Amino acid sequence: SQQGEEDPQALSIQEGENATMNCSYKTSINNLQWYRQNSGRGLVHLILIRSNEREKHSGRLRVTLDTSKKSSSLLITASRAADTASYFCALPRRPIIQGAQKLVFGQGTRLTINP
Amino acid sequence: GAGVSQTPSNKVTEKGKYVELRCDPISGHTALYWYRQSLGQGPEFLIYFQGTGAADDSGLPNDRFFAVRPEGSVSTLKIQRTERGDSAVYLCASSLNGDEQYFGPGTRLTVT
Repeated sequence: SQQGEEDPQALSIQEGENATMNCSYKTSINNLQWYRQNSGRGLVHLILIRSNEREKHSGRLRVTLDTSKKSSSLLITASRAADTASYFCALPRRPIIQGAQKLVFGQGTRLTINP
Repeated sequence: GAGVSQTPSNKVTEKGKYVELRCDPISGHTALYWYRQSLGQGPEFLIYFQGTGAADDSGLPNDRFFAVRPEGSVSTLKIQRTERGDSAVYLCASSLNGDEQYFGPGTRLTVT
C-alpha cells in the first residue's frame, strides 16, 4: 500500500509548545506532502518535500524526510490555538502522469492546542 | 484570485435518488481531482482529469459513480441510485503543475 500512516492519531499540547507528527510509508516515493484540515479553511497544502531533500522549512513548520527509514516528520514550533486541526501526509500514487498526481492520504493526526 | 468552489455545500437526498455535485477549479488549472472523505478518515481518491479526459478513474467505487469535465474546466460528479453508504464529504481539488493541490470546501452529501 502507498498509504502513509500518521502517528500519533491524536495529540494535545499547550499553546507555545512544539508539536511533532510522523508519517511512515512502505513504498518508494518521489515526493511527500503535508496538508492541514480544519473546519474553517478546509484542506490546505502546507509543504511538499521531494525524495532528494532531507529537510524543508516554511515559517513555523519544519518537515524532514528519511527515505532510508521511509518516514517523514512535521514539526510545528511555538504552537498557537489556530494550529488546532487535523494534519495529513499524502503520497503520490502510481502511475504519475506529467502535470498531475493522485494522492493517497493517511488517517491524519488530530492536533489540539490548549490555551 | 478565486479558489476552487463546489456546489452545493450540503446536499440531502433520499436513498435511490440521483445527485450531481459540481466543482469549479482555479482558472487555468489543467488537472482536476475528486476525493471522498468519511468522518475521521483522510480523503480517498476517486478520479482525476487532465484536461477533458479522465486520466484515472480507478477510485470510483462502482458504476453508479460517474464524472465529466466536458470543456476542461468545470466538472460534475454524478451518483445514481444513491445509497446510505455514499454519505460523505466530496472534495474537489485542482492543480497546475501536478504538485500542490488546491482543495475546495467540499460538498457534504447525506443520503437518508
